Amino acid sequence: EDQVTQSPEALRLQEGESSSLNCSYTVSGLRGLFWYRQDPGKGPEFLFTLYSAGEEKEKERLKATLTKKESFLHITAPKPEDSATYLCAVQADSSASKIIFGSGTRLSIRP
Amino acid sequence: DTAVSQTPKYLVTQMGNDKSIKCEQNLGHDTMYWYKQDSKKFLKIMFSYNNKELIINETVPNRFSPKSPDKAHLNLHINSLELGDSAVYFCASRGPGNTIYFGEGSWLTVV
Repeated sequence: EDQVTQSPEALRLQEGESSSLNCSYTVSGLRGLFWYRQDPGKGPEFLFTLYSAGEEKEKERLKATLTKKESFLHITAPKPEDSATYLCAVQADSSASKIIFGSGTRLSIRP
Repeated sequence: DTAVSQTPKYLVTQMGNDKSIKCEQNLGHDTMYWYKQDSKKFLKIMFSYNNKELIINETVPNRFSPKSPDKAHLNLHINSLELGDSAVYFCASRGPGNTIYFGEGSWLTVV
């Protein structure tokens, strides 16, 4: 069965303290891996799509990387406005319409 | 102009009632979804429609019935509401690159 597991569940950092969030996945053929950001009271907002191992994408202080078993979302010198829940999702070859989400990492950045 | 809009945003209702949540997208996408997000932030797919046809129907109680009058609309009707139905329901559509665009969510509380 296709599965997505994110860790840690919650992460508290000091402003400027870099760290990484993990997304481990088990799918029968990966078609795409997605990262989303969700602010309280809002719907998830798209950040990145990664398609193959070795691929990297960057946006401001965020960089997403992909291996054959997991993806990392690296946050460099975070600011308080980076506080949010970060969700990882996968799309498998076996069911292209079905996009499965992990339970997210709640990131909190203290000023 | 909101891309994916759903109404109502908040809904408080008694057990046993029937309620509907409406969703519209103005992005021209063919595929739309309903996701349920529980208190632990886990986003679980419920249904997916492609051009008014049901293509994904997860193990959801048959009290939940989606309806798609056209490809821009996907409504969710829930009969005989139960306490366990309390959650946030997100409507979404799928665009180029399989990016999912979410609505703002509908907070359902069953009392």
